[in-house]
Amino acid sequence: DMKVTQMPRYLIKRMGENVLLECGQDMSHETMYWYRQDPGLGLQLIYISYDVDSNSEGDIPKGYRVSRKKREHFSLILDSAKTNQTSVYFCASSPGHQDTQYFGPGTRLLVL
Amino acid sequence: GDSVTQTEGQVALSEEDFLTIHCNYSASGYPALFWYVQYPGEGPQFLFRASRDKEKGSSRGFEATYDKGTTSFHLRKASVQESDSAVYYCALGDGTGNYKYVFGAGTRLKVIA
Repeated sequence: DMKVTQMPRYLIKRMGENVLLECGQDMSHETMYWYRQDPGLGLQLIYISYDVDSNSEGDIPKGYRVSRKKREHFSLILDSAKTNQTSVYFCASSPGHQDTQYFGPGTRLLVL
Repeated sequence: GDSVTQTEGQVALSEEDFLTIHCNYSASGYPALFWYVQYPGEGPQFLFRASRDKEKGSSRGFEATYDKGTTSFHLRKASVQESDSAVYYCALGDGTGNYKYVFGAGTRLKVIA
């Protein structure tokens, strides 16, 4: 069963707190992604991971970092969260270049 | 950089109406083009893709044709149903060898029964 999972689904944090968003996939895809989704802006790419410990900045990496220690697991970390990081975050994986992306259900983050 | 522009905001139709959502792109190389659909509370789902000029992608009655000349990939459906109400995203997969994707801002389709 091809699936991307995300935890938690909903999260409320105070400004300055650290945030950990987790993503898993069961398809052995090498490439994984983190996006944020804001009204009127669509999906914006934060980071790409090409495999374990092989990560690359996307279009809006400032304020975020990632970790990938196992192929099936990709984490997004916000050190000292800011209110403008309130958003819906999606993780995705893909089997190859220009191939279909499989998205998780999203994490809705509110930073107060 | 690469970009995707699609019909802005919301499209409101009645059941059995014809749907067109416009998508135009600007990209280097030869990108792959995609349509995704997103229902409330879920992540985007792949609808279909096309990877070469004049190729038609289709799924669930939706279709689009890759047109390199007009840099377009317009989404069409002959007869929409209330269940088609969702947000639709046009996207491109980078054509220069990296693994990036660029998404349009999304178009909300509301179908009234």
